[in-house]
Amino acid sequence: DSGVTQTPKHLITATGQRVTLRCSPRSGDLSVYWYQQSLDQGLQFLIQYYNGEERAKGNILERFSAQQFPDLHSELNLSSLELGDSALYFCASSGTVTDTQYFGPGTRLTVL
Amino acid sequence: AQTVTQSQPEMSVQEAETVTLSCTYDTSESDYYLFWYKQPPSRQMILVIRQEAYKQQNATENRFSVNFQKAAKSFSLKISDSQLGDAAMYFCASGYTGTASKLTFGTGTRLQVTL
Repeated sequence: DSGVTQTPKHLITATGQRVTLRCSPRSGDLSVYWYQQSLDQGLQFLIQYYNGEERAKGNILERFSAQQFPDLHSELNLSSLELGDSALYFCASSGTVTDTQYFGPGTRLTVL
Repeated sequence: AQTVTQSQPEMSVQEAETVTLSCTYDTSESDYYLFWYKQPPSRQMILVIRQEAYKQQNATENRFSVNFQKAAKSFSLKISDSQLGDAAMYFCASGYTGTASKLTFGTGTRLQVTL
């Protein structure tokens, strides 16, 4: 158990819908990262937050957004969902920007 | 920008034997880190080992060790005394210090462990 929690574990929804994925980092970790793992794109970095502020953006679609709250949990919002958004979404956390990233169990999103 | 290449899509090893998984990377950064993560069928990403680029000594964690060749930009993972529980997808990743410390992953190597 990495100490990073993600909910829900599975999510099945329809095209055009909007979903919210939630992540709670390890106790004391200030950085949260979101990654997408799909069959054709592999593991890709989406976005990073550090103590409530956005620090880095990767290949994140405009339809996707994220935020980190004062209690340091983070949410990833995916809207206008398409079939191609079906993937495993991981959250990771680290104590500083140079520390090791520990991953949560992931949320498997299926868009029908 | 960083790139990570794993040229072995699949590897197989017999139980109790040793196997080495290859990884090469490219980076323009001088201060960076390298990692191996394991992803078993449960899909959880589990940290196996970490190497700081400034350290010359190769990292070891029990049966897992790395061969870090900085000049060649090579970072291989050696698994000794392989166990059935080692069967998984293994990802090599690089990250760097600074305000944007995202990880860049390779495409993974699927390791099979046979009896």
